[in-house]
Amino acid sequence: SQKIEQNSEALNIQEGKTATLTCNYTNYSPAYLQWYRQDPGRGPVFLLLIRENEKEKRKERLKVTFDTTLKQSLFHITASQPADSATYLCALDMGQAGTALIFGKGTTLSVSS
Amino acid sequence: DAGVIQSPRHEVTEMGQEVTLRCKPISGHDYLFWYRQTMMRGLELLIYFNNNVPIDDSGMPEDRFSAKMPNASFSTLKIQPSEPRDSAVYFCASSLGFREKLFFGSGTQLSVL
Repeated sequence: SQKIEQNSEALNIQEGKTATLTCNYTNYSPAYLQWYRQDPGRGPVFLLLIRENEKEKRKERLKVTFDTTLKQSLFHITASQPADSATYLCALDMGQAGTALIFGKGTTLSVSS
Repeated sequence: DAGVIQSPRHEVTEMGQEVTLRCKPISGHDYLFWYRQTMMRGLELLIYFNNNVPIDDSGMPEDRFSAKMPNASFSTLKIQPSEPRDSAVYFCASSLGFREKLFFGSGTQLSVL
């Protein structure tokens, strides 16, 4: 069956460290992968998009990798801050007409000072 | 732009009652999506529209759910009759194009007693 798994449900790290979140998928062949941030009581907010022919994408302290062989995306936040505490969702885009984004359940990141 | 606007923010109703959720997408966005989020199942796509036309409603759980988009600036999701298992947060999102990032509203927290 098709499945999207985001590593642990919760990740706790200390301020200043690098947070690494994992998104694994099975039985999908996404053309694109997106990452979103969701704060409590709010809707998800778009962070980054990476295409299947891109290995890595960066934006400020954020970095995303996409390995279609391993069927995995890694999301890194360097020099993490308490303000980075939130739930992070990965979403797969099959790239086919008529199919919308499919979301993982998310990983809740807590950064302690 | 004010972003995607959803109403109401909270809805508490009794089983068997009709519930109508409303969404105003960002002006100029051609795509509108309805998602439902629960702890157990995460963020699930219910239906999406392109230029006011429903494209994929395969995620609508059953005939009790219906969605309309009478014009480019308004969409409704209706549940009739509502059941306790419909309790969830319902999100509306819009995008400029199909491969584009999604802009989410703040969601409607629905509780069916």
